[in-house]
Amino acid sequence: DVKVTQSSRYLVKRTGEKVFLECVQDMDHENMFWYRQDPGLGLRLIYFSYDVKMKEKGDIPEGYSVSREKKERFSLILESASTNQTSMYLCASWTGAFYQPQHFGDGTRLSIL
Amino acid sequence: ELKVEQNPLFLSMQEGKNYTIYCNYSTTSDRLYWYRQDPGKSLESLFVLLSNGAVKQEGRLMASLDTKARLSTLHITAAVHDLSATYFCAVDRLFGGATNKLIFGTGTLLAVQP
Repeated sequence: DVKVTQSSRYLVKRTGEKVFLECVQDMDHENMFWYRQDPGLGLRLIYFSYDVKMKEKGDIPEGYSVSREKKERFSLILESASTNQTSMYLCASWTGAFYQPQHFGDGTRLSIL
Repeated sequence: ELKVEQNPLFLSMQEGKNYTIYCNYSTTSDRLYWYRQDPGKSLESLFVLLSNGAVKQEGRLMASLDTKARLSTLHITAAVHDLSATYFCAVDRLFGGATNKLIFGTGTLLAVQP
């Protein structure tokens, strides 16, 4: 089974801090994704990566950046955290085969005070 | 711009009853995914639908795809309490593309009452 591990389940940070969310997958997948989930809005794509050091903006990239130095690890960075970035963040990985779904981590609930 | 709408947003149903969740999307796509999310948990894949007329079944759940109508349905047969969860559909925004950039619906919260 695919395992996608997010480093923290819960995180509390202060406004203006630089925040790192880490995600690791163990199935050698090329593609990895970061989403945020908010009530009534479903999941929205922040960034995705289709190879090491390759990235592409999703629908809501403002205020975020990403890093993919190794295939198994995809990091989401909040450059200067703001209260409107309080949310659930979900990481996913994908094989590249369309008959396979994306596999999600357990999520990080981030609160910015 | 692709939009994905699910209805209903909230569904309370009795055990043993049947019901259908609808997922409409606004532009052409040939890949649709259904996920389940339990409270406080991550998303679990239920079905992958890749062609017009595709039908998949697992237990009391059956999903279908009509690409011409831009509609997918998730049918629940003889609901049981264990099916209580939030259900999401997600559509690949690039028809025939090489990536898997999904647009998610807002989700349907299903509560099955004894």
